[in-house]
Amino acid sequence: QKEVEQNSGPLSVPEGAIASLNCTYSDRGSQSFFWYRQYSGKSPELIMFIYSNGDKEDGRFTAQLNKASQYVSLLIRDSQPSDSATYLCAGATDSWGKLQFGAGTQVVVTP
Amino acid sequence: NAGVTQTPKFQVLKTGQSMTLQCAQDMNHNSMYWYRQDPGMGLRLIYYSASEGTTDKGEVPNGYNVSRLNKREFSLRLESAAPSQTSVYFCASSGSYEQYFGPGTRLTVT
Repeated sequence: QKEVEQNSGPLSVPEGAIASLNCTYSDRGSQSFFWYRQYSGKSPELIMFIYSNGDKEDGRFTAQLNKASQYVSLLIRDSQPSDSATYLCAGATDSWGKLQFGAGTQVVVTP
Repeated sequence: NAGVTQTPKFQVLKTGQSMTLQCAQDMNHNSMYWYRQDPGMGLRLIYYSASEGTTDKGEVPNGYNVSRLNKREFSLRLESAAPSQTSVYFCASSGSYEQYFGPGTRLTVT
């Protein structure tokens, strides 16, 4: 069992709606969490990171962290076709450097 | 400013052949990483180097070796390729919390 779990999807979202992505983790030592976006055939790029319980907003993206429940989520508001990608959740354990990635959730935004 | 570069972009090997994947970064980052990505598996860490002169095993190191040649370059070597090593390989570097990824190498072992 992977230490970071995500639903593989695809998550189909109408254009303009909110996409909600979920991630759970098993290592209570994980302190910081990252959301990477990966377009098909491309490399991952960081879109959000969070290390405190609660919400963190950046433009149309909101990351939520609940350490007691070992749960991280990403909300994408006003979803656009350009948001169609795979979203990777990752947790940092013993240092900033070593990340545990989930398998990713594919998001498809339909016009 | 090229960021993280990887060579080659594509490679086909026969079982038992060896090869070295090259990675270089021009962001003056201390840390560098090698990942492999397989369908449905996400990114798995093979080896990492927290600073020049140090390397450590990640989640899936078997069958691989690495060299941190200097601060800029981090290479990954497959001594005797196996079909199970067919994958997309990403190199990444970081100076703090954000990892920057190279474009990847698509490797097929037949």
